[in-house]
Amino acid sequence: QSALTQPASVSGSPGQSIAISCTGTSSDLGAYDYVSWYQQHPGKAPKLMIYDVSNRPSGVSNRFSGSKSGNTASLTISGLQAEDEADYYCSSYTTSSTRIFGGGTKLTVL
Amino acid sequence: QVQLVESGGGLVKPGGSLRLSCTASGFTFTDYYMSWIRQAPGKGLEWVSYITSSYTYTNYADSVKGRFTISRDNAKKSLYLQMNSLRADDTAVYYCARGGGSTVTVPPDYWGQGTLVTVSS
Repeated sequence: QSALTQPASVSGSPGQSIAISCTGTSSDLGAYDYVSWYQQHPGKAPKLMIYDVSNRPSGVSNRFSGSKSGNTASLTISGLQAEDEADYYCSSYTTSSTRIFGGGTKLTVL
Repeated sequence: QVQLVESGGGLVKPGGSLRLSCTASGFTFTDYYMSWIRQAPGKGLEWVSYITSSYTYTNYADSVKGRFTISRDNAKKSLYLQMNSLRADDTAVYYCARGGGSTVTVPPDYWGQGTLVTVSS
């Protein structure tokens, strides 16, 4: 199964909002509302930021929000901060009872 | 606090075998499914396998099916990954990750720091 499709990179200035898209198929993103997003800083383990499309785990800033329409999900980060610079990965449960990740998006805070 | 510590990585020749271990602490191990997820150098994340809390169900990525075996020992609070017939494209950091609950639809919420597996002659 091919990875979910994400843009390779996005950028924004401090204080701005950015959105990262994640496109899948009817066998993954389109099948369920089991989309999650991870943040990964260089050399570190991924951190769960969003689960079930739009839910934030305890301790995650409300500047992070998620949405989904059809086969496409989005992560929006508002009020960009320097510490948000990282790689972001979307993930989905699939109809084969497996898990699939996106190729990752590098966020640069200008 | 939740802690996951992987071990067992290293350099192995193509066709060789390796067994990874992950020791868990800070939570009730039997309440969670567990996963292995890998990341090739400079690349993205790739889900490898998961096992349910009561050993009843396992699943694998097509890329490792038939070569890798996931297992767990609830008494030892440990997760394992037996990797056979290793190939160069198995080279990656392997992360142990706690499922978000007992249900496999809930995404992994805590990850270890990973152990590097290098397959090279």
